[in-house]
Amino acid sequence: ETGVTQSPTHLIKTRGQQVTLRCSSQSGHNTVSWYQQALGQGPQFIFQYYREEENGRGNFPPRFSGLQFPNYSSELNVNALELDDSALYLCASSRDNSGNTIYFGEGSWLTVV
Amino acid sequence: GESVGLHLPTLSVQEGDNSIINCAYSNSASDYFIWYKQESGKGPQFIIDIRSNMDKRQGQRVTVLLNKTVKHLSLQIAATQPGDSAVYFCAETYSGSARQLTFGSGTQLTVLP
Repeated sequence: ETGVTQSPTHLIKTRGQQVTLRCSSQSGHNTVSWYQQALGQGPQFIFQYYREEENGRGNFPPRFSGLQFPNYSSELNVNALELDDSALYLCASSRDNSGNTIYFGEGSWLTVV
Repeated sequence: GESVGLHLPTLSVQEGDNSIINCAYSNSASDYFIWYKQESGKGPQFIIDIRSNMDKRQGQRVTVLLNKTVKHLSLQIAATQPGDSAVYFCAETYSGSARQLTFGSGTQLTVLP
């Protein structure tokens, strides 16, 4: 149990639709990162939020966007869904972005049909 | 370490034997390394971490070795148990990267009875 909770756990969307995934970070953690994990591969960094500001971004198009709220929970939004967006989306939290232990949630499985 | 496709390296060990999982990392600037265990359908679970100013770190039944000269990391699991069966990922990060994790390709560990 890492204290990082994600919702929903599974969902199915149609190509072209939009999706919002949610994450509650571990208590006391102000840094949240999002990762995409395709089947059989390692997680790929999407972006990070630190104290409500985007603090780094991986190689993902602008239709991937996010938010962090004052309580440090976070949302990942994906617009204009494509079939290749089907993946496990993971949220990770840490006490700050300076190298403290990073804990992952169980993820949200997204299937785009 | 770049993630590879669907064919994960595999390691099969007898229950009770020791396991050694290897990882080559890619960035000489990386200064913090983490091993994660991922069971099917779940998020990555933190096992152990090590910073670049150390060569070895021990936890409960696990040891991580770091060789910065050849950019190599290994995870040793003592007295491997059936519950250790999972995919194991190494991840690297550095202080100028917003602490984004770059994951290796993963190794599927199977413990035989």
